[in-house]
Amino acid sequence: DTAVSQTPKYLVTQMGNDKSIKCEQNLGHDTMYWYKQDSKKFLKIMFSYNNKELIINETVPNRFSPKSPDKAHLNLHINSLELGDSAVYFCASSPSLRLNQPQHFGDGTRLSIL
Amino acid sequence: AQSVSQHNHHVILSEAASLELGCNYSYGGTVNLFWYVQYPGQHLQLLLKYFSGDPLVKGIKGFEAEFIKSKFSFNLRKPSVQWSDTAEYFCASFSGSARQLTFGSGTQLTVLP
Repeated sequence: DTAVSQTPKYLVTQMGNDKSIKCEQNLGHDTMYWYKQDSKKFLKIMFSYNNKELIINETVPNRFSPKSPDKAHLNLHINSLELGDSAVYFCASSPSLRLNQPQHFGDGTRLSIL
Repeated sequence: AQSVSQHNHHVILSEAASLELGCNYSYGGTVNLFWYVQYPGQHLQLLLKYFSGDPLVKGIKGFEAEFIKSKFSFNLRKPSVQWSDTAEYFCASFSGSARQLTFGSGTQLTVLP
């Protein structure tokens, strides 16, 4: 069983479209995250949610809106997609926000904007 | 703000060579340090972690890392690499005050058979 699962794995779409990426974790974790990995492999946190509550919202355009219907899910909706949004987006989860808890990552969603 | 630096962007080794990848962190408070590995086309996997205690940490697949507080470093080592170790390696630190994991820019390791 996949612990952190993201769908879709690949997403190819045109500029201006709206798309969503779904993430689910079956680990019983309280905290979930979205990261963006750019073409140079640099990973940067976008959002973190703890028990459905937004904890971290880094400098991310308003076009990106996370939604956490329950603590096992953290979906990412992106409006008006731009070329610069092309990247791999990773979802992750950890038991809580406490220090000594490594994060478990999903397989990533490769988003390509045409 | 915390930051993590990995100075080696791309390392190429032959099989059986020894490996050391550098990692320096900037945050001066309590930090928890991690090394993650990303095999081609896969997600990040945890190699090892340091929270406290013995500064020499053993991880999976024969990897180890040494926490040197005075140097703000957490270098990753492996005595003898294999072709299957070809991957991207990320150092990361978790700051309790910022409540986030900060990644370094990654080091691409290529092991030649």
